[in-house]
Amino acid sequence: NAGVTQTPKFQVLKTGQSMTLQCAQDMNHEYMSWYRQDPGMGLRLIHYSVGAGITDQGEVPNGYNVSRSTTEDFPLRLLSAAPSQTSVYFCASRWTGLATEAFFGQGTRLTVV
Amino acid sequence: QQQVKQSPQSLIVQKGGISIINCAYENTAFDYFPWYQQFPGKGPALLIAIRPDVSEKKEGRFTISFNKSAKQFSLHIMDSQPGDSATYFCAASRRGGGSEKLVFGKGTKLTVNP
Repeated sequence: NAGVTQTPKFQVLKTGQSMTLQCAQDMNHEYMSWYRQDPGMGLRLIHYSVGAGITDQGEVPNGYNVSRSTTEDFPLRLLSAAPSQTSVYFCASRWTGLATEAFFGQGTRLTVV
Repeated sequence: QQQVKQSPQSLIVQKGGISIINCAYENTAFDYFPWYQQFPGKGPALLIAIRPDVSEKKEGRFTISFNKSAKQFSLHIMDSQPGDSATYFCAASRRGGGSEKLVFGKGTKLTVNP
């Protein structure tokens, strides 16, 4: 039972480069989301999706794009990386509805130089 | 605008002591309050959660106390152990037709000294 799988675990980008952070879950969860974690800032929601073909913005969406073509996958795209996007990124999934546990991936540590 | 305020930022407790982490919220529409535990290099994992229809929930050494009128909730870790050393996040969510967003506090780094 893999749960939520994120790749890569570590990445270094140069300013202006683009990349995609991958997230896959095998629990058939409708709801998937991306958070970034920065020291002293907690977990901030970037984008989320309540099902295939449906995405919406979270608290800090600027500079990031997402799509949801399948239930299992929810990639996060950085179109033109900036040093301010240096962070640890977490993908999470859960059933929709209240009071459901969110399962997190192991995280991707991204450094933009 | 921070929807969930968590304190303290860091906490050092001796083994066997009680660890207390507090959170406060403003949005009265919130009706689900989970706590997540995160070890270094790992993703957060659900520790315990409470709904506002109860004032306390206990699971082993971990207890959530909830004060609806004060819009506050707290995590108590009894008989704290070095293995409890981690970062703890409180969170809140509200009903929203399937799009309920989980809002997190800024986290508390707990260190339990042996």
